[in-house]
Amino acid sequence: GAVVSQHPSWVICKSGTSVKIECRSLDFQATTMFWYRQFPKQSLMLMATSNEGSKATYEQGVEKDKFLINHASLTLSTLTVTSAHPEDSSFYICSARRTGVLQTQYFGPGTRLLVL
Amino acid sequence: AQKITQTQPGMFVQEKEAVTLDCTYDTSDQSYGLFWYKQPSSGEMIFLIYQGSYDEQNATEGRYSLNFQKARKSANLVISASQLGDSAMYFCAMRAPDDKIIFGKGTRLHILP
Repeated sequence: GAVVSQHPSWVICKSGTSVKIECRSLDFQATTMFWYRQFPKQSLMLMATSNEGSKATYEQGVEKDKFLINHASLTLSTLTVTSAHPEDSSFYICSARRTGVLQTQYFGPGTRLLVL
Repeated sequence: AQKITQTQPGMFVQEKEAVTLDCTYDTSDQSYGLFWYKQPSSGEMIFLIYQGSYDEQNATEGRYSLNFQKARKSANLVISASQLGDSAMYFCAMRAPDDKIIFGKGTRLHILP
């Protein structure tokens, strides 16, 4: 089956630093990737839609200058949390939609971010 | 706007029994897709089953089946012969025509030995 990887799986950083999370589709091309955030014991909330070669589309209430998304190739999207603060601590999950296949999105294993 | 409602925050089921997880949805779109995902404590999202809005038959995948009642806008997940490894968080989700997937709040399922 299709595999999506995320790196790193865990990151602990100091407040004020920036953190980059990578999402890769390993065996398929993905023109569209999605970034979600999940707080403890809550559901996944869509943050933004990442489109290869164009600007990301952010959901209402998500600061685009704080959560920078770059989808530079058909297999890689990155999410950079800039000037991270403790309230940004969360579980970040990406998903990738296989080009030409609408009904299935494949999720990465997630990245746990802890900002001290 | 699309909305997914899961009314069962938690469920306890005896091993080997069947379990039904409820899901209702709201959308004005004619074309949509419904998913169920399993999230164990590791956090990964495991795809279980998919139902398209135009699919006339209920989707089945091994021990998982989706009871799709379009007029009632419900898409309940049925797990037959539950196993201890089924203990996890289960999310119902809907894909809108713009390709976004929105999730319900989830149901935590506990399988008792």
